Amino acid sequence: SQQGEEDPQALSIQEGENATMNCSYKTSINNLQWYRQNSGRGLVHLILIRSNEREKHSGRLRVTLDTSKKSSSLLITASRAADTASYFCATDAQETSGSRLTFGEGTQLTVNP
Amino acid sequence: GAVVSQHPSWVICKSGTSVKIECRSLDFQATTMFWYRQFPKQSLMLMATSNEGSKATYEQGVEKDKFLINHASLTLSTLTVTSAHPEDSSFYICSAIGFWDSPLHFGNGTRLTVT
Repeated sequence: SQQGEEDPQALSIQEGENATMNCSYKTSINNLQWYRQNSGRGLVHLILIRSNEREKHSGRLRVTLDTSKKSSSLLITASRAADTASYFCATDAQETSGSRLTFGEGTQLTVNP
Repeated sequence: GAVVSQHPSWVICKSGTSVKIECRSLDFQATTMFWYRQFPKQSLMLMATSNEGSKATYEQGVEKDKFLINHASLTLSTLTVTSAHPEDSSFYICSAIGFWDSPLHFGNGTRLTVT
């Protein structure tokens, strides 16, 4: 199956709750990135975590990386209705170059006000 | 922050015609640009990698004669869908990178509808 699989495919929560999305991949990577996409728009870069890092924070976002399990998680704390979007992980494999990213299938997050 | 402008944002064309989509990096020099295709509720599929001044590298299964890519300058890459057919209808997105290991910057995409 495709490099970068995400679960859940869809997640619906109430405003104020935390949202956790997971991503698994298959090959060795240089880094893993998370992107957000609003409906019908391009992707916005959220956070990059390198293969030698285990956790990274940016505002309400927390990303973890477990290279032994080839998995990553994105946690959005205190969610807001404006966080409603699709979230994609993307991996930069070690055998490729030039940031040729492979994207996961994405998680559709809906935050209900 | 870095901005990538993609134009047009949407286009409707008749079957058999060609459509050109532009991707510009507005405040940085993009050594590499990428073109993706995205079907509804699906992930991005990389079509080709475009390096300034050289031929694009196409992914397996992508017809290079149908999807013509030109990267004539460090700030502009174009994707031309030639002899478009209804099955080419999709959302096309470009991205650009300025230097190694920096995040990609995406355009806002082009919704192509072929009638």
